Amino acid sequence: DVKVTQSSRYLVKRTGEKVFLECVQDMDHENMFWYRQDPGLGLRLIYFSYDVKMKEKGDIPEGYSVSREKKERFSLILESASTNQTSMYLCASSPPAGTHMNTEAFFGQGTRLTVV
Amino acid sequence: DQQVKQNSPSLSVQEGRISILNCDYTNSMFDYFLWYKKYPAEGPTFLISISSIKDKNEDGRFTVFLNKSAKHLSLHIVPSQPGDSAVYFCAAKIPGAQKLVFGQGTRLTINP
Repeated sequence: DVKVTQSSRYLVKRTGEKVFLECVQDMDHENMFWYRQDPGLGLRLIYFSYDVKMKEKGDIPEGYSVSREKKERFSLILESASTNQTSMYLCASSPPAGTHMNTEAFFGQGTRLTVV
Repeated sequence: DQQVKQNSPSLSVQEGRISILNCDYTNSMFDYFLWYKKYPAEGPTFLISISSIKDKNEDGRFTVFLNKSAKHLSLHIVPSQPGDSAVYFCAAKIPGAQKLVFGQGTRLTINP
């Protein structure tokens, strides 16, 4: 059974704190992604990584950074949390495009982050 | 620039009837389309997909239709069941690209 696991289901942090969201996948996937979900805006891509130590900005990278030191782990970092970063954060992984017929992404259970 | 659009934020359907969720896209380069289902406080789960070389794909109660000329796809659920109540996201991919582009989502409510 394939699995993407996010370290926390719920987090409450204070404005200005540095926040780490961790994600681990056990499918040996090359690609990993961080999205945030907000009502009416759908899933917006923050960052993704297609290999260890590689990263690319998504559509809304401002205020975020990422780290991928090992293939199975992808971390999202909020350098200085702000209230507008209150959201549902979703991690996903997928095999590289073109390798398989089905290139769907597999998602973790999500982290609901509240910044107060 | 919203390349994948789900213009209906919500949809309410009677149990046993057909649910039709719509999705429009603007990028003609997209070659693979997917639907995801999401329950509250859970991550999205893959539901069904379709390649641009097809115009229909069926999996049990779920059928996805693709109209390339109109840049439109739809998800049909029949018959609708209470457990289908969720947010549905449409997503699309460009050949060789690693990432999916998602729509805004449609909240489907199935009424008993």
